[in-house]
Amino acid sequence: KAGVTQTPRYLIKTRGQQVTLSCSPISGHRSVSWYQQTPGQGLQFLFEYFSETQRNKGNFPGRFSGRQFSNSRSEMNVSTLELGDSALYLCASSLESGVNTGELFFGEGSRLTVL
Amino acid sequence: GESVGLHLPTLSVQEGDNSIINCAYSNSASDYFIWYKQESGKGPQFIIDIRSNMDKRQGQRVTVLLNKTVKHLSLQIAATQPGDSAVYFCAENIGGSYIPTFGRGTSLIVHP
Repeated sequence: KAGVTQTPRYLIKTRGQQVTLSCSPISGHRSVSWYQQTPGQGLQFLFEYFSETQRNKGNFPGRFSGRQFSNSRSEMNVSTLELGDSALYLCASSLESGVNTGELFFGEGSRLTVL
Repeated sequence: GESVGLHLPTLSVQEGDNSIINCAYSNSASDYFIWYKQESGKGPQFIIDIRSNMDKRQGQRVTVLLNKTVKHLSLQIAATQPGDSAVYFCAENIGGSYIPTFGRGTSLIVHP
């Protein structure tokens, strides 16, 4: 069974540009969550999608957005990139909603560098 | 707001020793806790979980202890191996929440 797949693995952008990251969850998983990981802030929750609906959102500015497709694949977009957006962006899928059901299955992340 | 934290950012042990990684939480409404392991270049991987109606849960070479009185969680790794070197995160779920809150992480370094 394939794991969570994130693309691209690495990318470099400049300030002001926008970026789209993709996540393919484990087959059968309907919940997809996104996290930003930085050395200073650790794992910060961005948003969670379930059955194409954004069900939860973290404390990030509106420049961060996402969506989920009918096949549960998800994308996140960051517009008007800032230097501080440099981070590892992790996608996680789970069979249910993630609440008290056990594990989130994480992808290997997309490493974004903003110059 | 309340958050999950860790006592030790880095823990160095010798191969074969037992390791203990600690985590403090401040939200008394948290009722489900998870430990994740993140190896270099990879995403976090589930290790073990525990619900608030338990004090202890054992897995393969790992044990999680929960002390609700002092809001403390620990992960014990027996006979630590070089392959255990990673960053370990604790995470808490508040009842009804879909989203776990992650702690800052502890780096475990195992010396052969």
